Amino acid sequence: GENVEQHPSTLSVQEGDSAVIKCTYSDSASNYFPWYKQELGKRPQLIIDIRSNVGEKKDQRIAVTLNKTAKHFSLHITETQPEDSAVYFCAAAGSNYQLIWGAGTKLIIKP
Amino acid sequence: ETGVTQSPTHLIKTRGQQVTLRCSSQSGHNTVSWYQQALGQGPQFIFQYYREEENGRGNFPPRFSGLQFPNYSSELNVNALELDDSALYLCASSLGLGRITDTQYFGPGTRLTVL
Repeated sequence: GENVEQHPSTLSVQEGDSAVIKCTYSDSASNYFPWYKQELGKRPQLIIDIRSNVGEKKDQRIAVTLNKTAKHFSLHITETQPEDSAVYFCAAAGSNYQLIWGAGTKLIIKP
Repeated sequence: ETGVTQSPTHLIKTRGQQVTLRCSSQSGHNTVSWYQQALGQGPQFIFQYYREEENGRGNFPPRFSGLQFPNYSSELNVNALELDDSALYLCASSLGLGRITDTQYFGPGTRLTVL
């Protein structure tokens, strides 16, 4: 079945540095790729999404890139801050009308 | 916050029992999706309701069922509970045409523990 792989599972970066999280998907018909941030004990919150008709989208310190040929997409966070510490999930929506989620990346921002 | 609420916050049941979880969607949102999130994992899609009808389902058995009401509320029912059903159950509402690509807004979740 459809699958989304997410790497790394844990990412530790120094405050102020950049963080990159990568996901690959298996369904070539996937056309919607959201990223969610989930803090401990809280609900997932949409931070950015991208649709298959664009290759890159940016919102302040957060950007997402999409490579449909290679079937992978990435989340880039620049100038990381302590409040960026959380678990980040990528997801892909495709032909089976389901949102398939990655396993998550725990981002740790070191002071 | 998203305006999506869920009840109860926590629930403890024993194996074999039945449970009903509730979600109140953001006003005007005609689509609701339910997810199961096991500890340390990403959410797994259970099903989606659009205008009170199921229009998509994940790989969950029929003992997982749902309802959506005209007042933007919905229910997730689970029969014959198993230990593996222990998880955080999330609902997410969206406004659109019942497409999975519509932006989803999540509730805080219900933590279900099956003993």
